Amino acid sequence: EDQVTQSPEALRLQEGESSSLNCSYTVSGLRGLFWYRQDPGKGPEFLFTLYSAGEEKEKERLKATLTKKESFLHITAPKPEDSATYLCAVQAIRQGNKLTFGGGTRVLVKP
Amino acid sequence: GAVVSQHPSRVICKSGTSVKIECRSLDFQATTMFWYRQFPKQSLMLMATSNEGSKATYEQGVEKDKFLINHASLTLSTLTVTSAHPEDSSFYICSASGDRGNYGYTFGSGTRLTVV
Repeated sequence: EDQVTQSPEALRLQEGESSSLNCSYTVSGLRGLFWYRQDPGKGPEFLFTLYSAGEEKEKERLKATLTKKESFLHITAPKPEDSATYLCAVQAIRQGNKLTFGGGTRVLVKP
Repeated sequence: GAVVSQHPSRVICKSGTSVKIECRSLDFQATTMFWYRQFPKQSLMLMATSNEGSKATYEQGVEKDKFLINHASLTLSTLTVTSAHPEDSSFYICSASGDRGNYGYTFGSGTRLTVV
């Protein structure tokens, strides 16, 4: 069974204090790993898709990396507007196009 | 970019009535749509997957007769919560994938259902 575990569950940061979120996964045949941002009362907003170990993608203050067992979302010099829940999801080759989500990391950036 | 529109954003209904939630892909053809349920401070739980023109595939434990899904066109899927009860109160979110040449998924903005 595919499993996705995100840590920590919650993260409080001071503005400018860089940190990393972890997404550990167990899947037989990874097709893709997805990162989303979700604001309260809204649907998830797509950030990145990573397909193979060693791949990295960046967008503004966010950088996602992928290994064979986990992915990291690095937040560099965060701002209060980066406060959100960050969700990680995996798509397994044998599961067609279904996504399996982790529990999310709630990030709060204080000014 | 790909846009998925979900309506209504909020709905309050009386116990025993039915509620329909719409999910539309605005600028692409959604060959597959997914319906999720999300409880407060929890992650998304997949309820069902629907392919255009086919019957939906429900996840284990999801009552197909209570949560009716229709995906009659490449741009519209609906979720009807039948005979709603207070325990059906939740945040429902749809997502769509289609002909964009990648495996990205676009989500709707969600529907907050409150059954009183």
